[in-house]
Amino acid sequence: QKEVEQDPGPLSVPEGAIVSLNCTYSNSAFQYFMWYRQYSRKGPELLMYTYSSGNKEDGRFTAQVDKSSKYISLFIRDSQPSDSATYLCAMSDVDSNYQLIWGAGTKLIIKP
Amino acid sequence: NAGVMQNPRHLVRRRGQEARLRCSPMKGHSHVYWYRQLPEEGLKFMVYLQKENIIDESGMPKERFSAEFPKEGPSILRIQQVVRGDSAAYFCASTTSRGEKLFFGSGTQLSVL
Repeated sequence: QKEVEQDPGPLSVPEGAIVSLNCTYSNSAFQYFMWYRQYSRKGPELLMYTYSSGNKEDGRFTAQVDKSSKYISLFIRDSQPSDSATYLCAMSDVDSNYQLIWGAGTKLIIKP
Repeated sequence: NAGVMQNPRHLVRRRGQEARLRCSPMKGHSHVYWYRQLPEEGLKFMVYLQKENIIDESGMPKERFSAEFPKEGPSILRIQQVVRGDSAAYFCASTTSRGEKLFFGSGTQLSVL
């Protein structure tokens, strides 16, 4: 079993829909949770960075962390074709020397 | 303020040749990570370096692969005697210090013929 599980998709939704992307993990020591967006042939760029449980909102993006369920989510409201990309979750803890553990990424397609 | 710069963007090598991948971190960043990514797969950690120091190389194959981050100049990932299985995208990321947010370069796509 991988430490971080993420459905690779692709996930295809119409423009304007609310998108929900998720990761589950097995290591209860993880405290830092990140979502990165990666466009084709580009490096990942950081979207959201959260510590411990709770919600964080930034524009159309909301990140949720549920440590009791070992489950994190990224919601995208009013999705746009420009949101089409691969979304990777990553997480770490102090004990792992802040080494990020990555999900495989979910490919998201927003249809105009 | 330029971001993380990687070059070359594409590198083609024949089996047995050497590949040298370069990464210039963001200004003010003294920590560099190297990752490898295969199509449809996540990022695989290879090595974590500070200037003149390898902090963690647990993700790097013991043979043929080496990395450095000298006091002056870019970080270098070196792959000797490349094989077809080395074909992948190699990403570099930099940060100010351990545990802080990573900023990625655009990667080097290595193709081994």
